Amino acid sequence: DAGVIQSPRHEVTEMGQEVTLRCKPISGHDYLFWYRQTMMRGLELLIYFNNNVPIDDSGMPEDRFSAKMPNASFSTLKIQPSEPRDSAVYFCASSLKGPTDTQYFGPGTRLTVL
Amino acid sequence: AQSVTQPDIHITVSEGASLELRCNYSYGATPYLFWYVQSPGQGLQLLLKYFSGDTLVQGIKGFEAEFKRSQSSFNLRKPSVHWSDAAEYFCAVGHYTGRRALTFGSGTRLQVQP
Repeated sequence: DAGVIQSPRHEVTEMGQEVTLRCKPISGHDYLFWYRQTMMRGLELLIYFNNNVPIDDSGMPEDRFSAKMPNASFSTLKIQPSEPRDSAVYFCASSLKGPTDTQYFGPGTRLTVL
Repeated sequence: AQSVTQPDIHITVSEGASLELRCNYSYGATPYLFWYVQSPGQGLQLLLKYFSGDTLVQGIKGFEAEFKRSQSSFNLRKPSVHWSDAAEYFCAVGHYTGRRALTFGSGTRLQVQP
């Protein structure tokens, strides 16, 4: 299997622009997670889905962030408008049975907002 | 609420020396416990996990961890460190019902000296 695929790997944008991060989970995995990693706050869960339905979005910072999973093989995390404090590495992960099952992480998207 | 503390931000060991990374958790019941490793520029990879049973858990790459309920600890150990073990290590705690997501510690960065 190809593993979890994320695109783009790097994104540089200017404040106020819309940013869309993409994720393809491992085929057959019913759970998909979006994390954000920064030096200051460490690794934070933003949202996770089960069978394309959001289960816990309590980690989404504010209304500027939105996530969708239109089908079992694709998810997006959108930031609109972006701000410099959104600069971070964003990881997508997937698992077969749930949050306590082994999570397989993608390589991450490094976002820089100028 | 569940929480995880990794007291050591940064550890340096010599190649061939033994290693112990500390993890303390706060949780109201028997937790699910995990260790993940993050190599530079990559996503996280599961090293090992504890759900129940034998309190000494074996993982990949020669790592092991011991669950000690009396000390609320789940320390990671390796008898002989290799240069390729240089990475960041994250302890995580999860809920047995599986709905609530994992809580990750802040991480310990391991440096290996030749």
